[in-house]
Amino acid sequence: DTGVSQDPRHKITKRGQNVTFRCDPISEHNRLYWYRQTLGQGPEFLTYFQNEAQLEKSRLLSDRFSAERPKGSFSTLEIQRTEQGDSAMYLCASSLVQGLLNAYEQYFGPGTRLTVT
Amino acid sequence: QQQVKQSPQSLIVQKGGISIINCAYENTAFDYFPWYQQFPGKGPALLIAIRPDVSEKKEGRFTISFNKSAKQFSLHIMDSQPGDSATYFCAASRVFNAGNMLTFGGGTRLMVKP
Repeated sequence: DTGVSQDPRHKITKRGQNVTFRCDPISEHNRLYWYRQTLGQGPEFLTYFQNEAQLEKSRLLSDRFSAERPKGSFSTLEIQRTEQGDSAMYLCASSLVQGLLNAYEQYFGPGTRLTVT
Repeated sequence: QQQVKQSPQSLIVQKGGISIINCAYENTAFDYFPWYQQFPGKGPALLIAIRPDVSEKKEGRFTISFNKSAKQFSLHIMDSQPGDSATYFCAASRVFNAGNMLTFGGGTRLMVKP
């Protein structure tokens, strides 16, 4: 399978616990995005990386949210001290930027559904 | 601030009919307008996309119509099939000299009746 993969697919946690999600982009894709999707809504942009550099993080929902992409390949999204309002689908997408060519198409993974009890 | 407004929220179409979903945007800097299809429990899948230098793009049964002056674009699904039943999202972004962060509409749940 050469698509974007995410792990785990489902996560149930208790309020106050920390959770971490992993995203593996399409091979050779150098740009990686994180989005959040709540029930019945469209995805909402959170942050993105170009290789290992995090180029936009002002849309992360609070300082409890952080993301990394240490070697420019897979990425992790961590939520500390989870709250019930964090329950949502967390989506990862990737795209390819080549030189001066702009990266248009974003390909999404299946998402990680988080439930905070 | 909702920068992309999508309508209708839900749509029921008979098999073989035409499904039409509309979107309006506010930010004139947007330069890329994709449509995504999402099935329950799955991530969004890129369906078709358009850039503002053309007014229409067709791929198979799917057509995007784009009206730059009105800041509106729409998705037409011809000969709609039950397998097209899904939620459709329009989106918009700035690609040129920007990060191409997608701003999504609220979604349209399409049901195609056999």
